[in-house]
Amino acid sequence: QKEVEQNSGPLSVPEGAIASLNCTYSDRGSQSFFWYRQYSGKSPELIMFIYSNGDKEDGRFTAQLNKASQYVSLLIRDSQPSDSATYLCAVTKTGTASKLTFGTGTRLQVTL
Amino acid sequence: DAGVIQSPRHEVTEMGQEVTLRCKPISGHDYLFWYRQTMMRGLELLIYFNNNVPIDDSGMPEDRFSAKMPNASFSTLKIQPSEPRDSAVYFCASSSPGQSSGNTIYFGEGSWLTVV
Repeated sequence: QKEVEQNSGPLSVPEGAIASLNCTYSDRGSQSFFWYRQYSGKSPELIMFIYSNGDKEDGRFTAQLNKASQYVSLLIRDSQPSDSATYLCAVTKTGTASKLTFGTGTRLQVTL
Repeated sequence: DAGVIQSPRHEVTEMGQEVTLRCKPISGHDYLFWYRQTMMRGLELLIYFNNNVPIDDSGMPEDRFSAKMPNASFSTLKIQPSEPRDSAVYFCASSSPGQSSGNTIYFGEGSWLTVV
């Protein structure tokens, strides 16, 4: 079992719709959860992070964390073509607060 | 701040040659990470340093890979001898957990390595 799992996609959503990206992790003691966006040929850039169960909103983005289900998601409201990218989920594990383990990413395509 | 600076941005080398990748972390950051990204395996952590000391090198694939951090503003990742399967994008990243950004790590632009 991979430590961090994501559906590789592509996930295709029409412009203006809500995109829902999902991630599961295997270490129940994982502490922090991050969503990075990576455009083709570019480096990953942080979108947001979440530590506590529940929702965290930042503009059009909402991160949702459910530690009981070992599940974290990213919702993108009013999706734009510029949101088309690969979205990487990352977690820090117990005892390694500065070491991020990444999923392989989900490719999102926002269509006109 | 200039961000994490990596060089070279692109490198094409022949199998068996030595490759050295360089990184300058963000000033004041006390953690430095080397990641490798391929289509098949995604983003893998190779090694990370804290205050110039290697903390975890369990991701280094084999003895052909080595990394050093002689001071707070410079790190190298060396591959000797290089093989075609080493072709990947190598990212350097840095972070400073004590800052308000928490464990956020910031990536450089990457070094695109092709071994032929």
